Amino acid sequence: GQNIDQPTEMTATEGAIVQINCTYQTSGFNGLFWYQQHAGEAPTFLSYNVLDGLEEKGRFSSFLSRSKGYSYLLLKELQMKDSASYLCAVNGNEKLTFGTGTRLTIIP
Amino acid sequence: EPEVTQTPSHQVTQMGQEVILRCVPISNHLYFYWYRQILGQKVEFLVSFYNNEISEKSEIFDDQFSVERPDGSNFTLKIRSTKLEDSAMYFCASSGNLAGRATDTQYFGPGTRLTVL
Repeated sequence: GQNIDQPTEMTATEGAIVQINCTYQTSGFNGLFWYQQHAGEAPTFLSYNVLDGLEEKGRFSSFLSRSKGYSYLLLKELQMKDSASYLCAVNGNEKLTFGTGTRLTIIP
Repeated sequence: EPEVTQTPSHQVTQMGQEVILRCVPISNHLYFYWYRQILGQKVEFLVSFYNNEISEKSEIFDDQFSVERPDGSNFTLKIRSTKLEDSAMYFCASSGNLAGRATDTQYFGPGTRLTVL
């Protein structure tokens, strides 16, 4: 079966750093994706990890440990526009299985 | 930058009616997908499509659902007889400009909000 867990809600301060964790147990694994989703909009691609380690992309970084079934998304220099839901999704070949998403609220 | 487009943005229908949701995937992509998201819930996989046939489908994708690529650009999702519980946002996605790379990043369209009354 597929099970992906991430916190439901988080709050962080503008200019700070926040880490959103994701743990997964899936029957197939071909990579882990992070998407950003603003309310009423489509998920937009942020990052992708298929090998263990850290992938850095500007203010966003994502880490993967396949042996632990664990990933995190790190957001630096937070801006008000980063208030959104962040979706962890596992690619099980030909389909993405999503977590419930973490709603991140940025406060001034 | 190429993007996935979907029409209509919002569809209202009566229970029992048929609806067709339309998508134009990114032009050089080979894999196409439909997902849905019921309000306040997670994004759920419905079906994947490659080489003019369904490659995988979820338990949600029952006999009421069908997909088609009627020409070289469109990808459609048909719901034959809509139910109240079909009300959701439906997202089309596409990936893979190289054959055999189903693990490529999936890019999502803006979605169609389906409301069944």
